[in-house]
Amino acid sequence: GDSVTQMEGPVTLSEEAFLTINCTYTATGYPSLFWYVQYPGEGLQLLLKATKADDKGSNKGFEATYRKETTSFHLEKGSVQVSDSAVYFCALSNFGNEKLTFGTGTRLTIIP
Amino acid sequence: DTAVSQTPKYLVTQMGNDKSIKCEQNLGHDTMYWYKQDSKKFLKIMFSYNNKELIINETVPNRFSPKSPDKAHLNLHINSLELGDSAVYFCASSTKSSGANVLTFGAGSRLTVL
Repeated sequence: GDSVTQMEGPVTLSEEAFLTINCTYTATGYPSLFWYVQYPGEGLQLLLKATKADDKGSNKGFEATYRKETTSFHLEKGSVQVSDSAVYFCALSNFGNEKLTFGTGTRLTIIP
Repeated sequence: DTAVSQTPKYLVTQMGNDKSIKCEQNLGHDTMYWYKQDSKKFLKIMFSYNNKELIINETVPNRFSPKSPDKAHLNLHINSLELGDSAVYFCASSTKSSGANVLTFGAGSRLTVL
């Protein structure tokens, strides 16, 4: 079945550091890929998505590129802020399947 | 205007009790979901309804029973609560965006079973 693997956390960085959170997937066909973010005490919010190979999703300075050859969708940000502290989830959905399959989440803490 | 709202936000109860969590969405979406998030933040789908019809039913004990009176509401009833049911339960609804199924989540209902 479909699955998502993302890097284990927690990740702690200083403000303005470069961020990468790795995500790889296993799926049949051509899934859509997502990053969701969960701020403390809140539900998940869509951060960005990509629906086909080589698409780049971007939002709030975050980017991720759909790489079919490496089955990856790594999340990057050039300069993180304290307000980026949250749990980040990589996810996929496959054609004809209504559900999202999530990775285990990566907790990110940014220190001033 | 809250897009996906769930009540209650917190629920503390004893083992063996029965409890319900309600969810409503005002986005006009056709599909709604219940997800369970455990203490390690792992998210697992439980159920999905499309226009009041059950379309996803993952391996969930029979003690959990979803009900969708209309496409804007999806409630979750849990019988004979057990310690392992303690978790945060998220309701979500979805629509297609650029061909992808995009979910909007509620703020969660934290259930604690003592």
